[in-house]
Amino acid sequence: GAGVSQSPSNKVTEKGKDVELRCDPISGHTALYWYRQSLGQGLEFLIYFQGNSAPDKSGLPSDRFSAERTGGSVSTLTIQRTQQEDSAVYLCASSRRALTASGREGIQYFGAGTRLSVL
Amino acid sequence: LAKTTQPISMDSYEGQEVNITCSHNNIATNDYITWYQQFPSQGPRFIIQGYKTKVTNEVASLFIPADRKSSTLSLPRVSLSDTAVYYCLVARGNNNDMRFGAGTRLTVKP
Repeated sequence: GAGVSQSPSNKVTEKGKDVELRCDPISGHTALYWYRQSLGQGLEFLIYFQGNSAPDKSGLPSDRFSAERTGGSVSTLTIQRTQQEDSAVYLCASSRRALTASGREGIQYFGAGTRLSVL
Repeated sequence: LAKTTQPISMDSYEGQEVNITCSHNNIATNDYITWYQQFPSQGPRFIIQGYKTKVTNEVASLFIPADRKSSTLSLPRVSLSDTAVYYCLVARGNNNDMRFGAGTRLTVKP
């Protein structure tokens, strides 16, 4: 498809395990964003990439969270030693260019998310 | 520190016009105002974007006063399928400050 693809759609894991969440952005989009959304809450911004670089990682909630992007395309969000409070929907979005570019090119297109449940 | 302020929830009836206002007092010169809609179990999707004055597309209008410290999303003649959460996003000068806020939960009743 032409949209943002996230996998898996659902992930159930045990406390203390590591998980990897994958995001395939829209082809040609140079900017990629990760958000977290807890049940009934708004979107919590985690990190963004411009190309393969993440200029600022301070949005990541703890050092158990890391993200990388390779080839200017696929991104992986890794959560180590998962905790129950990590349970949420993790959303990925991409845009043609970074949000500071002209408005239309900064419009974000979201995937359906990965629902993570930590038991 | 929240960048945008919206009502937490709104109720409306089918066929009515709905206006949702977002306050963004600290908007910067180069910031755009973008509105997104989110249905349950889906990611947000783009509705409309503006910089100043009025913008209209096939689904909504966006009104932005001259001082740009607020914006109003207008949905004409809503239907049950417009029940969703609506977020306004104001981009800062750096991408590290993208906060959607809690959004406005719109419920359209028959």
